[in-house]
Amino acid sequence: GEDVEQSLFLSVREGDSSVINCTYTDSSSTYLYWYKQEPGAGLQLLTYIFSNMDMKQDQRLTVLLNKKDKHLSLRIADTQTGDSAIYFCADWPVSGNTPLVFGKGTRLSVIA
Amino acid sequence: DADVTQTPRNRITKTGKRIMLECSQTKGHDRMYWYRQDPGLGLRLIYYSFDVKDINKGEISDGYSVSRQAQAKFSLSLESAIPNQTALYFCATSEGTANYGYTFGSGTRLTVV
Repeated sequence: GEDVEQSLFLSVREGDSSVINCTYTDSSSTYLYWYKQEPGAGLQLLTYIFSNMDMKQDQRLTVLLNKKDKHLSLRIADTQTGDSAIYFCADWPVSGNTPLVFGKGTRLSVIA
Repeated sequence: DADVTQTPRNRITKTGKRIMLECSQTKGHDRMYWYRQDPGLGLRLIYYSFDVKDINKGEISDGYSVSRQAQAKFSLSLESAIPNQTALYFCATSEGTANYGYTFGSGTRLTVV
């Protein structure tokens, strides 16, 4: 079945850029998502990208999609302590009739 | 009020007890899901339902059951709780189209002692 992989930890200094990476196996995926989970909270949708796009930018967030390599990344510019959270990559299979497949999540720690 | 409400927020129960976690939503979505989260294991799907008459097992359904009482309500039961079911449980909802992904509840932290 579909698999979504992420590294588990990332540590950056405040003010630097963070890049969180994700790889997926389903070449026919239609939508790919980034969710953020703050401590003690549920997951919140940060952004998503449709498979016919290569890049999407939203304020400090930039999503890059490389369909050939099945690689998705989330770049956070000027990372702040409030960005410390777990970030999940998720993939919507083309059929739409199976649930989202989530990666294990990357814990971002921002050092002041 | 939250779009997806989970009750209780925290629960401690004893091994062997039956426990129910409840989820209700005001989004009007047909699709609902139950996940558990464990450190290092991410989110794992327990059960999902695409409408009131549809119930499907996820990757880790053993030891769990669900009931879809209405479009807005989806409950998860642990028939006989065991310590390795200690986890954070999330309910989520979605439309049938992919545009907006899932909406998650705030989670239920369950501890089985």
